[in-house]
Amino acid sequence: DIQMTQSPSSLSASVGDRVTINCRASQGIRNDLGWYQQKPGKAPKCLIYGASSLQSGVPSRFSGSGSGTEFTLTISSLQPEDFATYYCLQHNSYPYTFGLGTKLEIK
Amino acid sequence: QVQLLQSGAEVKKPGASVKVSCKTSGYTFTAYYMNWVRLAPGQGLEWMGWINPKSGGTNYAQKFQGRVTMTSDTSIGTAYMELSSLRSDDTAVYYCAREVVAPAGDWFDPWGQGTLVTVSS
Repeated sequence: DIQMTQSPSSLSASVGDRVTINCRASQGIRNDLGWYQQKPGKAPKCLIYGASSLQSGVPSRFSGSGSGTEFTLTISSLQPEDFATYYCLQHNSYPYTFGLGTKLEIK
Repeated sequence: QVQLLQSGAEVKKPGASVKVSCKTSGYTFTAYYMNWVRLAPGQGLEWMGWINPKSGGTNYAQKFQGRVTMTSDTSIGTAYMELSSLRSDDTAVYYCAREVVAPAGDWFDPWGQGTLVTVSS
């Protein structure tokens, strides 16, 4: 199985901050990676697919980069509604695997 | 619009089985794989497998092999996930999620609202 190591596991930040979240795959996965946002009591929502493509309707302050084994989600200027848990998901090979998540909290 | 509507919360005893449904609307049911993902308390998201509603073919995560069965009823556009021999650590919110395949990549969208399954004696 491909292991997805996500960091940090938690992060405190302020509105307006720039934030980066990282995922490392245990083996190369090309660009077969997505980023998902989940708020308490809600279903996850896809923000980024194909490592760097912005999902329709998602604000442009979200961006993704990387290929192979190293990936990054960047939020350029945090907004109040961005405080949530973020997960990466690899769909290069089965079983699909998620990172353990990054809980983004208000400082 | 595309929607996935899941069945309601369940409480089961250890050793029992649970069957969660995911009713779709707004798209051609047989054109997309349906995945199942769970979120256990204090844990991260976990992929369980998918079903191809067109063929009935399935692909299960090894962890759930022998305990999970994914089926679909194309006449009513509904997918099902049945998990047997339930244990306390199967307590989780279970989600269905449609898998979209595109040249630039794949993604899960939309997701169902989630079904809480509680396993307790």
